[in-house]
Parts: sequence; C-alpha cells; structure tokens
Amino acid sequence: DTEVTQTPKHLVMGMTNKKSLKCEQHMGHRAMYWYKQKAKKPPELMFVYSYEKLSINESVPSRFSPECPNSSLLNLHLHALQPEDSALYLCASSQGHLSGNTIYFGEGSWLTVV
Amino acid sequence: KQEVTQIPAALSVPEGENLVLNCSFTDSAIYNLQWFRQDPGKGLTSLLLIQSSQREQTSGRLNASLDKSSGRSTLYIAASQPGDSATYLCAVREERMEYGNKLVFGAGTILRVKS
Repeated sequence: DTEVTQTPKHLVMGMTNKKSLKCEQHMGHRAMYWYKQKAKKPPELMFVYSYEKLSINESVPSRFSPECPNSSLLNLHLHALQPEDSALYLCASSQGHLSGNTIYFGEGSWLTVV
Repeated sequence: KQEVTQIPAALSVPEGENLVLNCSFTDSAIYNLQWFRQDPGKGLTSLLLIQSSQREQTSGRLNASLDKSSGRSTLYIAASQPGDSATYLCAVREERMEYGNKLVFGAGTILRVKS
C-alpha cells in the first residue's frame, strides 16, 4: 500500500475562516511534507516534518500552520488566507530523510479562498 | 539556487511512437532524481527514482537515465498509449544538511498521445 490520503478534496473558505487540511499515511513513513501547486506550475515545498518534528519551513506565511500529531497524520491549519492562496495543496511522505527514499504524494486538496 | 528545466513544454504524438522527455538541472550536487506523472486535477504518481550513483532505472515501458555530471536526465516511453497522456514532472533532491527531502521540480512536459 503506497497511499497517502488527503481530506477534503475540495475546500472553499472565506478570508476570515479557520479551516484545516488533513493528510494520513499508514506506510510507516517518518517524513511528511506539504507542497503548494498553483495552476500550470510545479509543486513548491512548504514544510517538512521528520520524525514528527518540523525540520524545514520554506518561509511560509504564518497564516499557514502545520501540525504533526503523530507519525501517520499531518495537518495544515488555515487562517486569514488571501485569494492568492487558492491552489492545490499536496501532502507527501517518505520513509525518512535518506537519499534513497521515494516520495509518495496524495491526490491533493483543492483550496479556493473567496 | 537549483533550477530544473524540462523540454519540451508540450508534446503531441500518435499512438505507438517511442518518445523522449528531457530534464536538466543546474547544480549537480543532488541525492537523486525522481520522475512523476500528474493527471489533470490530480496528485503526483511516482514513476521512477534514480539515485545519484545510478545511470538508469526501468519500469515496464519506461526507462529513465541520469548523467549527473552534465546535469541531465531523460525519460524514455516506449510504444506510447493514449493512457500515457498526462503531465510528466522531474524533480531533483538537493543535498541539504537538514533532515527531510527537498524536491525541486521542473515545470513539466504535457504529453498527449493521440489514438
């Protein structure tokens, strides 16, 4: 099983709302990631969690708040977003930080900020 | 700063053709290179992973090569089928001191295989 599950698949939220994106994997992977992908653009790294600790934050605005409650779950809390934050948010996981690890992506959550 | 370029940006071929997608990167200090497929509105599916010490990897009709010193990789698709139509992305993993993989993606090649 090489599945990374993301919910919800689609989310529409107002600029004053608070919402969360969720990601789950049961492959025993210890590294999990959030990527953002705008239309017709490649994915861009936002955060990396390694062994449930935040190891990389690519200078993401604080209106995006990641959380890793345990080794299988990764959340992205959203608050006071802007319309330009509308994008496909992709979660991914890999066995660890070692070079040989394939990274597996979920289907993504489409976010629209109105 | 690592930059990844994919050529061509788009490709349209008749069914059955063999084709080559190209990927180049500016900094050869990479751990590995991974090829992905993305269908419209979907996530990324990993196709092949090539370690920096390897020259090529094969999976079914797909063959990926890596020339780390020249900063190039190619994805060869044999006997293309309409179901191969998708965007193909290559990504390199940078050598960084921090834990975790940072993938730097190319802009992708949009492939259309006509029946």
